[in-house]
Amino acid sequence: QKEVEQNSGPLSVPEGAIASLNCTYSDRVSQSFFWYRQYSGKSPELIMSIYSNGDKEDGRFTAQLNKASQYVSLLIRDSQPSDSATYLCAFDSGNTPLVFGKGTRLSVIA
Amino acid sequence: SAVISQKPSRDICQRGTSLTIQCQVDSQVTMMFWYRQQPGQSLTLIATANQGSEATYESGFVIDKFPISRPNLTFSTLTVSNMSPEDSSIYLCSVDEGAAEAFFGQGTRLTVV
Repeated sequence: QKEVEQNSGPLSVPEGAIASLNCTYSDRVSQSFFWYRQYSGKSPELIMSIYSNGDKEDGRFTAQLNKASQYVSLLIRDSQPSDSATYLCAFDSGNTPLVFGKGTRLSVIA
Repeated sequence: SAVISQKPSRDICQRGTSLTIQCQVDSQVTMMFWYRQQPGQSLTLIATANQGSEATYESGFVIDKFPISRPNLTFSTLTVSNMSPEDSSIYLCSVDEGAAEAFFGQGTRLTVV
């Protein structure tokens, strides 16, 4: 059974701090990894994708991938109240559809 | 990325009735998926909608309860049949454009009373 493990939270951080969201996955052959953001009552929105080991930066977001440890993380710098949402980790095991985690609820406190 | 239009965005339905949710994509896509998301929970895959053949259902979901159509490469419907309050949920369609990422429609918030 291919699985993604995420801490459900809530993760609370003060405004301006770095939020760190973590995810582990079970499938060693996974090649593609994604972070989705879902605001309450809305559908998931893709915010980051990462395919190779190391860091990938996009604005205030940095995704980190370590395939040896089967670990992917998302860092949000200078967190804003508008970042408060549920963040879903997902991976592509080569067979559609993506495998999603249960999500981590982030709360940024002003 | 594909533009996905899903409707209705929300509905309140009487138990025992059925609701059909539509998903329209602005480009041809091979794979379309239907998910359910219950309050405070993550996504649960209901089925994969295949063009030209029957949908492939996940464990716990059956065609009689959730019939799916996929008449072409840009459109699919999901029907929630003989509804009960336990079917109250958000239903989402998703497409895979072949580049691994999945994109979602706006979702349908269903309340069964």
